Amino acid sequence: QVQLQESGPGLVKPSQTLSLSCSVSGGSISSGGYYWSWIRQHPGKGLEWIGYIYNSGSTYYNPSLKSRVTISVDTSKNQFSLKLSSVTAADTAVYYCASWLGHCSGGSCWGYFQHWGQGTLVAVSS
Amino acid sequence: QSVLTQPPSVSAAPGQKVTISCSGSSSNIGNNFVSWYHQLPGTAPKLLIYDNNKRPSGIPDRFSGSKSGTSATLGITGLQTGDEADYYCGTWDTSLSTVLFGGGTQLTVL
Repeated sequence: QVQLQESGPGLVKPSQTLSLSCSVSGGSISSGGYYWSWIRQHPGKGLEWIGYIYNSGSTYYNPSLKSRVTISVDTSKNQFSLKLSSVTAADTAVYYCASWLGHCSGGSCWGYFQHWGQGTLVAVSS
Repeated sequence: QSVLTQPPSVSAAPGQKVTISCSGSSSNIGNNFVSWYHQLPGTAPKLLIYDNNKRPSGIPDRFSGSKSGTSATLGITGLQTGDEADYYCGTWDTSLSTVLFGGGTQLTVL
């Protein structure tokens, strides 16, 4: 059973870069079929997909966040990371990492979020 | 305002059945698989249904999913107080090139 665990600072200053990592256990991050994902949830609100990365390095980002997001994979550590630049208070949210089981081709994707981390709250404040 | 529309809340008595709808368009639900997630208070979302109507192992058959045209529906029978949670639908949108989630539906078991 794949398990995911987020880690990173719980407080980030405005205009700085939010950096989070997700450690994967119970399976290899190099396993085919999985896209390693980040999703966030603003306080009291719904879910917002940030993006995901395949072990080949292919990335797919939410167009609304694309200019500020970088997702990367470190296969040696069996973890993947999120960087969100130029943060504002609007980026305060619970950030979840998740494994997305599916396939992307020709700009379309088919799949679902199979496993989720417990989430980590990141507040943006001076 | 979410592209995928869900009712903000639904309620029913223990033992009863409830359905939660998720309405979209041809660029999302109409041409892609739908998945459903539930989120118990203070916890991470959990997969309930994938590929429109399939249940992962461990999810009881009280939970079912269906899709027709540009709408999907989650059904829950034999409601239990432990089913009180927020429920989200999700799918890919081909036009927006993004994963979409519905706005979420809060289920209350009276």
